[in-house]
Amino acid sequence: QSVLTQPPSVSAAPGQRVTISCSGRSSNVGNYHVSWYQQLPGTAPKLLIYDNDKRPSGIPDRFSGSKSGTSATLAITGLQTGDEADYYCGTWDTSLTGVALGGGTKLTVL
Amino acid sequence: QIHLQQSGPGLVKPSQTLALTCAISGDSVSNNNAAWNWIRQSPSRGLEWLGRTYYRSKWLNDYAESVRSRIAINPDTSKNQFSLQLNSVTPEDTAVYYCAKWPAKVNAFDIWGQGTMVTVSS
Repeated sequence: QSVLTQPPSVSAAPGQRVTISCSGRSSNVGNYHVSWYQQLPGTAPKLLIYDNDKRPSGIPDRFSGSKSGTSATLAITGLQTGDEADYYCGTWDTSLTGVALGGGTKLTVL
Repeated sequence: QIHLQQSGPGLVKPSQTLALTCAISGDSVSNNNAAWNWIRQSPSRGLEWLGRTYYRSKWLNDYAESVRSRIAINPDTSKNQFSLQLNSVTPEDTAVYYCAKWPAKVNAFDIWGQGTMVTVSS
């Protein structure tokens, strides 16, 4: 059971917009920056969003992040078939004295 | 360009020690603005952070409670790398193991190793 709660799966059609939620509590999401990772099959996770809403160099602006209270959201617009992957959220958790990671959400582009 | 290269055996016997190494290029394990982490992934446990080592005037570690009694993450400054040792392994420790860098200014895992599939089996 992961500390951060994500929906197991989401789906949408190419070109559409999809959101993935990440729910935590005050010891993690509520007081620390959230990051998001994309994992394509057979590869290591890749950083998509850090500090709740910042994109590393090279990440398209179709990917955006936000946070409100103890929940964070990843939004992907203009969906492409290449976006089919597993997405994970993560943040520091002071009650664990460690990094908390979500259970992952599988995105299907129909 | 920062790169993390993992090495280590893919098969470990139950009750023995899992040992992996992560060699750093393009950065220093002694970087006092970064932490060097091990994370694993399995179908049953998902992505699980195991622990980290970092330098802040002295070497420090943090470990996940689930493995705290049997884990050690150590830096090797002479080889610019860090290692994972997980003792008394069981089949539940079968997973893909990743090393990753967490820069203080990013607060996220921005660089990952390629991953090592480790199977615990006799």
